[in-house]
Amino acid sequence: KQEVTQIPAALSVPEGENLVLNCSFTDSAIYNLQWFRQDPGKGLTSLLLIQSSQREQTSGRLNASLDKSSGRSTLYIAASQPGDSATYLCAVNIRGSARQLTFGSGTQLTVLP
Amino acid sequence: SAVISQKPSRDICQRGTSLTIQCQVDSQVTMMFWYRQQPGQSLTLIATANQGSEATYESGFVIDKFPISRPNLTFSTLTVSNMSPEDSSIYLCSVQDSYEQYFGPGTRLTVT
Repeated sequence: KQEVTQIPAALSVPEGENLVLNCSFTDSAIYNLQWFRQDPGKGLTSLLLIQSSQREQTSGRLNASLDKSSGRSTLYIAASQPGDSATYLCAVNIRGSARQLTFGSGTQLTVLP
Repeated sequence: SAVISQKPSRDICQRGTSLTIQCQVDSQVTMMFWYRQQPGQSLTLIATANQGSEATYESGFVIDKFPISRPNLTFSTLTVSNMSPEDSSIYLCSVQDSYEQYFGPGTRLTVT
């Protein structure tokens, strides 16, 4: 059974700092991996999607990498801002499982002004 | 990208009652997914809803407790039946479009 782990569970950084969020998964047979942002009490916003054949994706200040063989993905946030404060979730789409996602428990990020 | 709306956005309900949550998508999709997020937890898939067939429920979730309708390719409902305080959660519907998963804004349910 696929398990997804995110470390750290919580992170607090000063504004302007670059930071890395980590996601690991136990079964490398994934279809894709997706990073989401969730604001308190709200739904999920998709940030980046990495297909299994890709190594990284970039969107603005965000860069996500994928190393399938080691079962790891990282989300790099450059020049963090207070508006980046949210919970970041990674989710893997399991090959052959009807497009279902297995979510990590999330990293709660606080960017201090 | 798909745009998803949910109704209601939040509700406070008494134990023993039922609540039906609506999910509307701005495009036709084959599968819709319903998730639950309990306080402080990550998301757990409840069921997958296909138009024209019975929903497929995940382990630990049953149709009597969470009946789902899927009358067409843009709409689905999830009912939380005979609610107890343990059902207090955020319920989210989701669709997949071009390999990417999209989520609605969620319905925050509090059961007293």
